[in-house]
Amino acid sequence: EPEVTQTPSHQVTQMGQEVILRCVPISNHLYFYWYRQILGQKVEFLVSFYNNEISEKSEIFDDQFSVERPDGSNFTLKIRSTKLEDSAMYFCASRVRLAGTTDTQYFGPGTRLTVL
Amino acid sequence: KNQVEQSPQSLIILEGKNCTLQCNYTVSPFSNLRWYKQDTGRGPVSLTIMTFSENTKSNGRYTATLDADTKQSSLHITASQLSDSASYICVVSPSGSARQLTFGSGTQLTVLP
Repeated sequence: EPEVTQTPSHQVTQMGQEVILRCVPISNHLYFYWYRQILGQKVEFLVSFYNNEISEKSEIFDDQFSVERPDGSNFTLKIRSTKLEDSAMYFCASRVRLAGTTDTQYFGPGTRLTVL
Repeated sequence: KNQVEQSPQSLIILEGKNCTLQCNYTVSPFSNLRWYKQDTGRGPVSLTIMTFSENTKSNGRYTATLDADTKQSSLHITASQLSDSASYICVVSPSGSARQLTFGSGTQLTVLP
């Protein structure tokens, strides 16, 4: 069964450094998402992406964050200057089609980001 | 503000027993409600999806119910197995958005032998 993959599984970085989290969505999917989950807290929506542009973003997704689909398979989340509070699990998700109300988002296994 | 509240926060049961998890939401307008299973350190995996017109949906030993009038949902797990130990998250989708989902905090289920 196709699945969303994410790399790396764990990223440790120093505060102020740039990180890029990578995701390979399921190949025929059209919508892509990034979520984060701070340890012990709810999953939070960051951004949705369709047709090579951001569809929606939350208040968390400030100027320090950016997303890109550099080629036909990868979907990346960049944090320009990491802060301690960026430490979290980051999940990528993808969905197959635009219309319909019951299409499922498929989540990747996540990247655990630790900012020191 | 759209909110999803789940109860109980945690639950411990013995293998083979049944259990029911609750979800109340204030998300409006409402498109659909999903139950996800999240193993520790892993991404959420979809169990069921229900629209406002559906009041029950089954997936193996998992049965979800939805009362759109009272804005309540439940997830019933029958004949629990050790592998059912996980966080169960209720997620509600508002209509009219780019499929943003409102996540509950989850119920942490532990199944003991």
